[in-house]
Amino acid sequence: RKEVEQDPGPFNVPEGATVAFNCTYSNSASQSFFWYRQDCRKEPKLLMSVYSSGNEDGRFTAQLNRASQYISLLIRDSKLSDSATYLCVVNIGNNRKLIWGLGTSLAVNP
Amino acid sequence: DTGVSQDPRHKITKRGQNVTFRCDPISEHNRLYWYRQTLGQGPEFLTYFQNEAQLEKSRLLSDRFSAERPKGSFSTLEIQRTEQGDSAMYLCASSPIQGDTEAFFGQGTRLTVV
Repeated sequence: RKEVEQDPGPFNVPEGATVAFNCTYSNSASQSFFWYRQDCRKEPKLLMSVYSSGNEDGRFTAQLNRASQYISLLIRDSKLSDSATYLCVVNIGNNRKLIWGLGTSLAVNP
Repeated sequence: DTGVSQDPRHKITKRGQNVTFRCDPISEHNRLYWYRQTLGQGPEFLTYFQNEAQLEKSRLLSDRFSAERPKGSFSTLEIQRTEQGDSAMYLCASSPIQGDTEAFFGQGTRLTVV
């Protein structure tokens, strides 16, 4: 089993739709969690950290479920500019190593 | 210094040649990571430094790959006897040692082995 798993998609949604991505992790010692966004042929950039109580940033909401070992990202009112790959990242262990999912591809269509 | 810097941005090399990439992290960041990414895949962990100590190296990394961070600042990644399968984007990231903060990425070095 991979340490961090994501549905690779692609998710094709119309503008204005709400879309949700899930990510599961296997190491219960995982300590912090992030969602990154990566545009084609660019480096990943932080979208948002994921806090235990859940957090929201505009149209984006991230949630963490430690009991079930998954995190989620909800995008409301999708824009064309949201088209990208969304990567789930988990920080584990004493060394704070970052483990990455393979990413979920989102295409928002006009 | 406003971010992580990688050099070169692009490298084309013939199979069998050695290549070396450089990464300059954000100056106050103690942790430095190297990743490799191929099209359609997420970043694949290669190795990780905390200051000058190389704390972990992926078992996926063959002995043709070596990384150093001699003074705990910049890092180099060398690939010896390159193979076509080494063609990928090589990403460097850094983060501070305090807290559970995110990693910041450089723009990557795109390697093409012909």
